[in-house]
Amino acid sequence: AQTVTQSQPEMSVQEAETVTLSCTYDTSESNYYLFWYKQPPSRQMILVIRQEAYKQQNATENRFSVNFQKAAKSFSLKISDSQLGDTAMYFCAFSGNMLTFGGGTRLMVKP
Amino acid sequence: GAVVSQHPSRVICKSGTSVKIECRSLDFQATTMFWYRQFPKQSLMLMATSNEGSKATYEQGVEKDKFLINHASLTLSTLTVTSAHPEDSSFYICSARDSGRATGELFFGEGSRLTVL
Repeated sequence: AQTVTQSQPEMSVQEAETVTLSCTYDTSESNYYLFWYKQPPSRQMILVIRQEAYKQQNATENRFSVNFQKAAKSFSLKISDSQLGDTAMYFCAFSGNMLTFGGGTRLMVKP
Repeated sequence: GAVVSQHPSRVICKSGTSVKIECRSLDFQATTMFWYRQFPKQSLMLMATSNEGSKATYEQGVEKDKFLINHASLTLSTLTVTSAHPEDSSFYICSARDSGRATGELFFGEGSRLTVL
């Protein structure tokens, strides 16, 4: 079975600064996808970024980028130039046969 | 593209009644849909995997007679909470995987908040 661990229950960052959210996972599969989802107060789950395990290059999506370390089974999310609208719960997720979520990190961006 | 619509967004019902929640993929076909339950300030807990044209697969500890899932078409899955009790009050979220994509992500509905009085 896959497990996904987010070791930071809560984090805060000043507006315009950079923050990194941690995620580690455990799996015996070789082909899989990793995701970061954002859940704002509206509760709508929004895909932030996706990483294919077979790709060595780290995914980047505007202000969001990941540091994917396959051997270490680590998948952190970096948010640059944080904005107030980034305040949300962030979930790391592993996709093999099913999508397994981490426990989430509550991010607060402070003005 | 890849929009999932969930209805109703909020529902309040009396204890002992049944409530149906619909999940529709609006612009893609979904052979597989997933139902999650989310308690306050917690992560999403997978309840069951809904497969079009066949029986749903329930996670351990989820009562299949309490949470009836039907996936009658490639764009619609329903979750019926039968004989609801206050402990069933929660936020329920559906998601769907686009059968035409090989990228693995799930697209989520807006969620349904169920309150059982």
